[in-house]
Amino acid sequence: GAVVSQHPSWVICKSGTSVKIECRSLDFQATTMFWYRQFPKQSLMLMATSNEGSKATYEQGVEKDKFLINHASLTLSTLTVTSAHPEDSSFYICSASRQGGSNQPQHFGDGTRLSIL
Amino acid sequence: EDQVTQSPEALRLQEGESSSLNCSYTVSGLRGLFWYRQDPGKGPEFLFTLYSAGEEKEKERLKATLTKKESFLHITAPKPEDSATYLCAVGGLSGGYQKVTFGTGTKLQVIP
Repeated sequence: GAVVSQHPSWVICKSGTSVKIECRSLDFQATTMFWYRQFPKQSLMLMATSNEGSKATYEQGVEKDKFLINHASLTLSTLTVTSAHPEDSSFYICSASRQGGSNQPQHFGDGTRLSIL
Repeated sequence: EDQVTQSPEALRLQEGESSSLNCSYTVSGLRGLFWYRQDPGKGPEFLFTLYSAGEEKEKERLKATLTKKESFLHITAPKPEDSATYLCAVGGLSGGYQKVTFGTGTKLQVIP
C-alpha cells in the first residue's frame, strides 16, 4: 500500500497564531509532496509542490511567506501557516508521490481542518 | 488551460442499481487520468490510473474506461458502502511543466 499520515487532523486557534501541519509517507519514499486546500463543493486547489531537499514551487496567488513549506526528507513535509487569520480557515490536504510526475498517482493524507477564531 | 468537468454533481442510486459517472477533460499532453474516492472529512483514496484511450481497469464493483475526451467510472450493483464523492483528475504536460488538475467530483449516495 501507500499510506500517508497527516497530523493534526483538527486545529482551532486564535488569530495571529502560527500552525504547523505534518505530512508523512509511512511505507514509501516520496520524491514529491503536494499541498492542497479544499473548499466545500470545489475541487482540490493546489497550493504548492515540494521536492525533497529543494525549495517548494508555489502556485500563482499563494503567498510563500504565509505558507511555509519544508520537505526535509523523503518521508516528511511540513506546512506552516504563519500568523493565521480567519480567512485561512480551510481543509488542508497533503499528498505524496513516489516519483512526482503528472503520470503518477498521488496518495493523500486525511487532511487537517483548520479553524481560526 | 487544462480542464476537468465531472457529471452529474450528485447521484442517488438504489442498492443494486448500476450507473456511470462521467469525467470530460481537455488537457495538453495527457500523461494520466486518475480516479479517486473521497469520504467526508477524509483525503482522497486512489482508485485507478488510465494512460491511453481504450484502456480499462476494474476493482470490485468499479470499472474505469478512457477515451480521448472522457472517462467513465461504471459502478455495477452498488452497495451503500460505495457512497462517497468520486474525483477525477488529469495529469498533463505543457511547456515542460507537469500538472495535475482535479474535477469537482460526483457525490454518490447509494440507498439500501
